Amino acid sequence: EPEVTQTPSHQVTQMGQEVILRCVPISNHLYFYWYRQILGQKVEFLVSFYNNEISEKSEIFDDQFSVERPDGSNFTLKIRSTKLEDSAMYFCASSPAGAVRGEQYFGPGTRLTVT
Amino acid sequence: TQLLEQSPQFLSIQEGENLTVYCNSSSVFSSLQWYRQEPGEGPVLLVTVVTGGEVKKLKRLTFQFGDARKDSSLHITAAQTGDTGLYLCAGAPANQAGTALIFGKGTTLSVSS
Repeated sequence: EPEVTQTPSHQVTQMGQEVILRCVPISNHLYFYWYRQILGQKVEFLVSFYNNEISEKSEIFDDQFSVERPDGSNFTLKIRSTKLEDSAMYFCASSPAGAVRGEQYFGPGTRLTVT
Repeated sequence: TQLLEQSPQFLSIQEGENLTVYCNSSSVFSSLQWYRQEPGEGPVLLVTVVTGGEVKKLKRLTFQFGDARKDSSLHITAAQTGDTGLYLCAGAPANQAGTALIFGKGTTLSVSS
């Protein structure tokens, strides 16, 4: 069964450094998302992406964050200058065309640790 | 602020028992999803419910969407140790145009033999 994949599984970085988290959505999916989950807290929406542009973003997704679909298979989340509070699990998700609104398939996540 | 409240937060039962987990809100949702999440992994989609009053079954799991589309429940019959895990509900608010999901905090289920 097709799955969303994410790399790396764990990323450790120093405060102020840039990080790029990578995702390969399910191949025939058209809608892509990033969420994050700070340890012990709820999963929170960051951004959605469709047709090569951001379709929706949350208050968390400030100017330090950006997303890109550099080719036909990858979807990336960049954090320009990481802060301690960016430490979290970051999940990529995708939905196919025609999916029920809200039906999203999640990847295994990247654990980001900012020191 | 849209909220999804899940109860109970923790549930510890013996194998073979039945249980129900609840997901409640004061807001209306276009759809509601139930996910299961293992420690250190991503949420795995179990089911999506869309229509008020809808009931879906997945083996021993029964999911129901409230008539007003503000709440949902997950009922597990004859729980097994393999059902142990974190169960999350998530919804797409009806009054928002986008597809961002709002998540509940989850119910941690522990089934012992």
